[in-house]
Amino acid sequence: QSVLTQPPSASGTPGQRVTISCSGSSSNIGTYYVYWYQQLPGTAPKLLIYRNNQRPSGVPDRFSGSESGTSASLAISGLRSEDEADYFCAAWDDSLSGPVFGGGTKVTVL
Amino acid sequence: QLQLQESGPGLVKPSETLSLTCTVSGGSISSSDYYWGWIRQPPGKGLEWIGSIYYSGRTHHNPSLQSRVTVSVDTSKNQFSLELTSVTAADTAVYYCARHRVGAGSTPLSGWFDPWGQGNLVTVSS
Repeated sequence: QSVLTQPPSASGTPGQRVTISCSGSSSNIGTYYVYWYQQLPGTAPKLLIYRNNQRPSGVPDRFSGSESGTSASLAISGLRSEDEADYFCAAWDDSLSGPVFGGGTKVTVL
Repeated sequence: QLQLQESGPGLVKPSETLSLTCTVSGGSISSSDYYWGWIRQPPGKGLEWIGSIYYSGRTHHNPSLQSRVTVSVDTSKNQFSLELTSVTAADTAVYYCARHRVGAGSTPLSGWFDPWGQGNLVTVSS
């Protein structure tokens, strides 16, 4: 059972917009920045979004992050086949006194 | 470009100690802006933070693993290491090392992990 809750799966057709939610509490998302990681099949996770909505250099602007209260979201617009991957949210948690991750959402491009 | 590479055995017997090393290249491990962390991922499951270390040797561990975890750093070799004692099958996972950005204020570990190493699958089995 992960501290941050994500839906196990999401899907869309090429070109569509897909949104992934990440639900937490006041001890994590409600107080601290949220990060998103993309894990392509068979590879290591890669930073996708930092500080709620900032994209590292090289990450397409099709990816966007937002946060409100104790929840956060990752949106992928103009979905492409290469976006098929697992996506994880993360944040600091005061109760754990450490970083925590969501269980991950598998995005499928139909 | 900063790169991290894990190394260590792929098979460990139950009750023994898992030992991994992460070698950092393309940059110095002695940076004031970063910790250096270990994260693991059991097959088909999510990510779990294990622990992080600063170049000075200051460490922080996941409380659920704290009694079994040791993270150390060797700045002369630009490496940091993980030891996990008394392993069981539940410790079977891909172990990743990553650079861990220092966060703000009283929460120095509240930053992000980037980049990550390619991962090292460790199987606990007799």
